[in-house]
Amino acid sequence: GAGVSQSPSNKVTEKGKDVELRCDPISGHTALYWYRQSLGQGLEFLIYFQGNSAPDKSGLPSDRFSAERTGGSVSTLTIQRTQQEDSAVYLCASSFDPYEQYFGPGTRLTVT
Amino acid sequence: DQQVKQNSPSLSVQEGRISILNCDYTNSMFDYFLWYKKYPAEGPTFLISISSIKDKNEDGRFTVFLNKSAKHLSLHIVPSQPGDSAVYFCAAVVAGSYQLTFGKGTKLSVIP
Repeated sequence: GAGVSQSPSNKVTEKGKDVELRCDPISGHTALYWYRQSLGQGLEFLIYFQGNSAPDKSGLPSDRFSAERTGGSVSTLTIQRTQQEDSAVYLCASSFDPYEQYFGPGTRLTVT
Repeated sequence: DQQVKQNSPSLSVQEGRISILNCDYTNSMFDYFLWYKKYPAEGPTFLISISSIKDKNEDGRFTVFLNKSAKHLSLHIVPSQPGDSAVYFCAAVVAGSYQLTFGKGTKLSVIP
């Protein structure tokens, strides 16, 4: 079956521009998560959705970051006015329960 | 403040020998622990997990040990194979939470 997919796989953008990252979770998975991995760091939790609602937004680094999920499926992570410190791999995961999360391949974001 | 720590950034092991990857945590509320494996340019994949009510869980060549009093867990791979070469992340979660807290990872190299 199809796994979690993310697009684009790579994104290079200029500082100050907005970017949108997309995640297609595994069909039927109710929970969806966004993480980011900066160079040499572990996975940093950003936000999770249960259905279309986001009960936990505590990991979003600043108000430039937002995310939405529609139809209990696709999710987009938007970063406004990108900064160089936003450069990282952004990973999406989905699951039935919190314990076994299935990850997508990630989007590598480079802000120049 | 890192709640999950993997103090060895890298580990090299001869093929056929045992690989032991270590993980320490500080949050006594964590009650479920997971190991994920990550190849370059791919998302992490779930490997094995353990509940805090157990001290050992085994799945084929992979065994996870949990020492709650020491707040320490380890992943044993026996025998190690070249295909096991990857970055291994330890993760922990509090009951009722959807937020996995990850360590920074240990890069395992299995030498043929």
